[in-house]
Amino acid sequence: SQKIEQNSEALNIQEGKTATLTCNYTNYSPAYLQWYRQDPGRGPVFLLLIRENEKEKRKERLKVTFDTTLKQSLFHITASQPADSATYLCALAAGNQFYFGTGTSLTVIP
Amino acid sequence: DVKVTQSSRYLVKRTGEKVFLECVQDMDHENMFWYRQDPGLGLRLIYFSYDVKMKEKGDIPEGYSVSREKKERFSLILESASTNQTSMYLCASSLGYSNQPQHFGDGTRLSIL
Repeated sequence: SQKIEQNSEALNIQEGKTATLTCNYTNYSPAYLQWYRQDPGRGPVFLLLIRENEKEKRKERLKVTFDTTLKQSLFHITASQPADSATYLCALAAGNQFYFGTGTSLTVIP
Repeated sequence: DVKVTQSSRYLVKRTGEKVFLECVQDMDHENMFWYRQDPGLGLRLIYFSYDVKMKEKGDIPEGYSVSREKKERFSLILESASTNQTSMYLCASSLGYSNQPQHFGDGTRLSIL
């Protein structure tokens, strides 16, 4: 079955730096990949969607890349702020199934 | 904004009980999903529905069933609750399947004693 791995369970960075989160997948070639943010006690909130024929997608301080050869997506938050502290999830559809990674918990230290 | 409402934030039930979790969305979305979220395992898809009365099994459907009698409402049913079904349950809806964002409710934390 599809397996999605996110680079680490927790990432701590200094305010103002760029956070880079990794999402690797196996066994399928999704046409789309999505990123979500989840705060404690809340449901995930959609951030960005990238298509397989798009190398990069940006939204304000967020940037997502999608490398279908490496089967990898990178999620960047530039000029990070303490308010960016949350868990970030990547997700994709494979066949008629939808898979989420386990998430990376990001803490931005003031 | 899309609103997905789950009927309870917290629920405590006993082993063997039949449990109903309800979810309502207000944006006329075709697709609705039920997930469970467990530490270290992430979100796992239980069932989804792409239309009224239509359903598809997700990755972990065993022990669960679903009902979608109206477009805006998607119910998850635990036929005979067991302790290993203690979890956070999240409902979501979307306009498309893989190419549209999913909009989530805030979840029901279910404890089976």
